Amino acid sequence: DAGVTQSPTHLIKTRGQQVTLRCSPKSGHDTVSWYQQALGQGPQFIFQYYEEEERQRGNFPDRFSGHQFPNYSSELNVNALLLGDSALYLCASSTDRDQETQYFGPGTRLLVL
Amino acid sequence: AQSVTQLGSHVSVSEGALVLLRCNYSSSVPPYLFWYVQYPNQGLQLLLKYTSAATLVKGINGFEAEFKKSETSFHLTKPSAHMSDAAEYFCAVASYNQGGKLIFGQGTELSVKP
Repeated sequence: DAGVTQSPTHLIKTRGQQVTLRCSPKSGHDTVSWYQQALGQGPQFIFQYYEEEERQRGNFPDRFSGHQFPNYSSELNVNALLLGDSALYLCASSTDRDQETQYFGPGTRLLVL
Repeated sequence: AQSVTQLGSHVSVSEGALVLLRCNYSSSVPPYLFWYVQYPNQGLQLLLKYTSAATLVKGINGFEAEFKKSETSFHLTKPSAHMSDAAEYFCAVASYNQGGKLIFGQGTELSVKP
């Protein structure tokens, strides 16, 4: 049973560029949440997707957007990258019945130069 | 608003000693509480969760945590530390009316000395 998978594992971009990160949830899960973890910090909630819609959003600007596909996989898009966007981006999956119990992927490490 | 405070950004113990990682939370509604572990260059692994059943929660790898409402605490313990326990530990809180939004603490790095 595959767990949560994310791609790519690492990414280097320059300021102003756009990036797309991808996530496949654990088998049987239909809800995907995204978190940003800056170096030395705890993860911060970006948003959550369920039934292809953004259900909840944290305190992140509109430059951060997402999408969920019919197969429950998800993308995180970040436009107009800033140096401060450099972080580990974590995807977590859960079921709608138990949204709080989340299983995390290995993350995508983004470096913005 | 919910919040989590982890006391001590770094804890060091000897192999075989008791592990105690402290977590205090703030929540206006009954919380769900979690402990996650993160090994270097990896994602987060769920250790255990409290969801208003038993106040003493047993998790994986010999860890357990006790929910104390009067102290708003959810400290993580393990009777005997192993070298393989060295990692970053995160406490997180969620509530039933916030859906799946987890609020994490800043983390505690656990070092285990031989």
